Amino acid sequence: QVQLKESGPGLVQPSRTLSLTCTVSGFSLTSYGVSWVRQPPGKGLEWIAAIWSGGSTDYNSALKSRLSISRDTSKSQVLLKMNSLQTEDTAMYFCARSGLYYWGQGVMVTVSS
Amino acid sequence: DIQMTQSPSFLSASVGDRVTINCKASQNINKYLNWYQQKLGEAPKLLIYNTNNLQTGIPSRFSGSGSGTDYTLTISSLQPEDVATYFCLQHSSKYTFGAGTKLELK
Repeated sequence: QVQLKESGPGLVQPSRTLSLTCTVSGFSLTSYGVSWVRQPPGKGLEWIAAIWSGGSTDYNSALKSRLSISRDTSKSQVLLKMNSLQTEDTAMYFCARSGLYYWGQGVMVTVSS
Repeated sequence: DIQMTQSPSFLSASVGDRVTINCKASQNINKYLNWYQQKLGEAPKLLIYNTNNLQTGIPSRFSGSGSGTDYTLTISSLQPEDVATYFCLQHSSKYTFGAGTKLELK
């Protein structure tokens, strides 16, 4: 069945770069895209970035300058990098299959010194 | 970018009540509107896709309607397990979520 699982560092220092990995199973990254969505504690959902089945990418306009999304199809992984982290970037980060029908459980990222 | 305005932000209702939640897009999104339910500590769960299509396994008391810029999620008879936060999502152009509606029992 379709599964997505996020992994990442948990704690990142301010101004550093965050690297997150979404490992998928049950579908091919060349057939479906994957997005990243985040949710600060007690707040709403914010779409961050997507990589589509053909390899093209889209970014949240407000975050675009800080983001990079890529994939390794051989490993069924989607990678998200966000630089210049601030405390406001503390959030649960989810990956989801295109259309946002299927979601991972999320990984909590705390930005703190 | 498309903006989504969701209302109300908070809703208190009794078991058996009919509940409606609204989302308004800043431009026509051609029915590319999903609804999600999120319970504390869980990932969002898809309820309705493309305005009015019930996701597999979702109870029929949930329904969606709308067109153009205005969309509605309806729970026909509120059950205790429906206590959650509900979000709309437009996927006409990239993705934008509504701010959410927290639904509680009266």
